[in-house]
Amino acid sequence: GENVEQHPSTLSVQEGDSAVIKCTYSDSASNYFPWYKQELGKRPQLIIDIRSNVGEKKDQRIAVTLNKTAKHFSLHITETQPEDSAVYFCAASIVYDYKLSFGAGTTVTVRA
Amino acid sequence: KAGVTQTPRYLIKTRGQQVTLSCSPISGHRSVSWYQQTPGQGLQFLFEYFSETQRNKGNFPGRFSGRQFSNSRSEMNVSTLELGDSALYLCASKKEGAGGGNEQFFGPGTRLTVL
Repeated sequence: GENVEQHPSTLSVQEGDSAVIKCTYSDSASNYFPWYKQELGKRPQLIIDIRSNVGEKKDQRIAVTLNKTAKHFSLHITETQPEDSAVYFCAASIVYDYKLSFGAGTTVTVRA
Repeated sequence: KAGVTQTPRYLIKTRGQQVTLSCSPISGHRSVSWYQQTPGQGLQFLFEYFSETQRNKGNFPGRFSGRQFSNSRSEMNVSTLELGDSALYLCASKKEGAGGGNEQFFGPGTRLTVL
């Protein structure tokens, strides 16, 4: 089955700096890559996603890049703010496989 | 539109008991997935249902089962509970078909503690 590795497990950044989280996946058939943010005690919420036919997608301060050849994708958060502090999960799936395989998560702390 | 709801929110059981968790998807969503979240194993896929049919199942023992009703509500059952079953159980719904996308919307979870 699909195996998703996520690094780093923890990330501390100064407010205003950028944060980058990287994930690799094993199944070359995977074609959908969402990123979820989970604040303490709350449900995971989708923040951005990308399909395999797109190399990069941006939404305000958040961007995701995908390298299908290398089987890795990354989340970039620019101009970090204290409210960006949370656990971020990457995931991969084959769209018609009906399941998400998640990375282990990255705890991001933004220092004021 | 109301989000995904799960009941109960918290549950304490003892080893050997069984438990049933419930999930109500967003109105119009017909796909419901279940995930187990633990500090050690992260988020792991349990199973997915669509139109009362299980379309995929994760690598969990047969003690974990689920079903979906005609109104898309779903339940999961864990029999003969073990200490290691203590976790947050999340369900997620997705709209498929015209106007649907790939996004899964998560519920708040049921926190199960097995003593």
